Amino acid sequence: EVQLVESGGGLVQPGGSLRLSCAASGFTFSTYRMNWVRQAPGKGLEWVAYIDSSSGSVHYADSVKGRVTISRDNVKNSLSLQMNSLRDEDSAVYFCAREAGGCCHYLDYWGQGALVTVSS
Amino acid sequence: EIVLTQSPATLSLSPGERATLSCRASQSVGVYLGWYQQKPGQAPRLLIYDASNRATGIPARFSGSGSGTDFTLTISSLEPEDFAVYYCQQRNNWPLTFGGGTKVEIK
Repeated sequence: EVQLVESGGGLVQPGGSLRLSCAASGFTFSTYRMNWVRQAPGKGLEWVAYIDSSSGSVHYADSVKGRVTISRDNVKNSLSLQMNSLRDEDSAVYFCAREAGGCCHYLDYWGQGALVTVSS
Repeated sequence: EIVLTQSPATLSLSPGERATLSCRASQSVGVYLGWYQQKPGQAPRLLIYDASNRATGIPARFSGSGSGTDFTLTISSLEPEDFAVYYCQQRNNWPLTFGGGTKVEIK
């Protein structure tokens, strides 16, 4: 069974940093592209970042570019999102999501999300 | 950035009725559009990819159509478990973008 479990969320002050992690199991993690998607309370979905299977290609939303770094460890089956210079508007549930194997850039498995609250 | 506009924002229907949801792109995305369903407190679920292909395990009552800038998700006969929020997403260009969502609620 495919499982994605996020951790590392919490309350952080504006300007602070936070690192989210996503533990993957039930599939060959090293062969799948991965993404982070966020959802502010009561709002819609916003794609945040992408990384290919070998970490050779990454993409970021303009809203987080320069402040966020996506990375992965294919030995530990883990995905990470390092977030710096956090702003109020970064408050959201952050989902780790796997891309469907046969057809790129659609997200077929999602974690349950990690809540990040940026507030003083 | 490609902007996806979903309409209506809310659709009030009864079980057994047909639901028709729209997603319009600010520029052509070819057929590179997908649909997701999200229920309260849950992660989204992929329903449709590349405009008209059902994802694994998705019932046949869900169908997608369209190309270019105009897309439709149709639920042929609403089941109680289909009342949820639906999002479209394009993969034609970076950044990936989602529409604002359509809530299908019980009338």
